[in-house]
Parts: sequence; C-alpha cells; structure tokens
Amino acid sequence: GENVEQHPSTLSVQEGDSAVIKCTYSDSASNYFPWYKQELGKGPQLIIDIRSNVGEKKDQRIAVTLNKTAKHFSLHITETQPEDSAVYFCAASSGPVPGRRALTFGSGTRLQVQP
Amino acid sequence: NAGVTQTPKFRVLKTGQSMTLLCAQDMNHEYMYWYRQDPGMGLRLIHYSVGEGTTAKGEVPDGYNVSRLKKQNFLLGLESAAPSQTSVYFCASRPGTNEQFFGPGTRLTVL
Repeated sequence: GENVEQHPSTLSVQEGDSAVIKCTYSDSASNYFPWYKQELGKGPQLIIDIRSNVGEKKDQRIAVTLNKTAKHFSLHITETQPEDSAVYFCAASSGPVPGRRALTFGSGTRLQVQP
Repeated sequence: NAGVTQTPKFRVLKTGQSMTLLCAQDMNHEYMYWYRQDPGMGLRLIHYSVGEGTTAKGEVPDGYNVSRLKKQNFLLGLESAAPSQTSVYFCASRPGTNEQFFGPGTRLTVL
C-alpha cells in the first residue's frame, strides 16, 4: 500500500518568514495530493490540493509543488502569520478499488509562528 | 448546513465495554470514512463506505464494525473496547470529487 513520509515534525518560524513542509510518497499510481490544516480540538480542514497532472498550484499565501518523478510534494506558506500556527498533514490518494479514494496521511508537522 | 457532525465528543470506557460512535452528514455525500488519529502517526483509515448499505475494511479494521443503513449516517462500533483503541476518531465524507470533509472528532479513552 501507499506510504507517506512527512518532514519536519515540528517547525518554528518568525512571523513574516516562509515555511516549507515536505512529503514523499511510495505509490507511483497516486494521483491526488491534498494538504490539511488541523487546529487544536478540531478536525482536519483542506487548505490546498494538487493533482498529478499539475506541477504547482497557488492560493494566495500558500502553494504546493509536485515532483512526480521523485515522488515528493511540498507545501509553501509565505508571509506567515500567528494564525497559521497549527498541525499540517499531507496526504496521497490510494485507491485501487473504484470509489474508495481513501487518503494515506503523513505523520503531521506542528507549525508554530512566533509573533 | 451543519456539515459533518460526530457524537459523542468525548467518552471514557472500561476495557470490555461496547459503544457506538455516530457520524452524520447533511451534504448528500456518497462516500464516508472512519479514521483514527494517534500521536505521531497521522490519520489511519478504519472502515469506509461507498454508498448506503455498503461498507469495506480500511487499513486498521480489527476490533471495529461499521454500518451505513442510511446515506447520511455512518456508525462505528466497538464491541469489546481495549486500551489500544484509545484514540481520537474522525469521520469524513466526500461527494464524487476528491475532497474529504472531516467532522470535529471523538476523543475516546479506554481504561
């Protein structure tokens, strides 16, 4: 099955700096790569996703890049703000069974933005 | 729309007790999922459903059962709780597209 590794496990940056979180996946058939933000006591919330036919996607201060050859993808947050502090999860879709589309998650990155 | 809701929010069980976690969604989504979240391990898929009346095993199904009698509800059952099932449980649903919508979670402690 799919295996997703995520680094770093914790990341501390100063407000206004950029933050980068990296993930690698094992299944070359995976074709959907979402990033989720989880605030304390809440469920994960999708912040951006990318499909395997796209190399980069941006949404305001966040961007995701995908390298299919190397099987890795990254989340970039620019101009970080204290409200960006949360746990971020990458994931890859693994679903040889039609309709399953379950997600395999990375272990998470705790991002702390220091004011 | 309430989105995805989970009941209860917290629960403490003794080893061997049983309980059912309820997930409800009002978005008319076909697909529903149960995950567990443990420290340092991300979320792992327990069971999933591709439609009313259907269920299937995920990555870590042992010790759990599920039912999807109504399209909007997905129940997760623990017949005989064990301390290893102490975790935070998340339900998710999705329409025909890829995005999954998560509930707020249920924190379960088994003593």
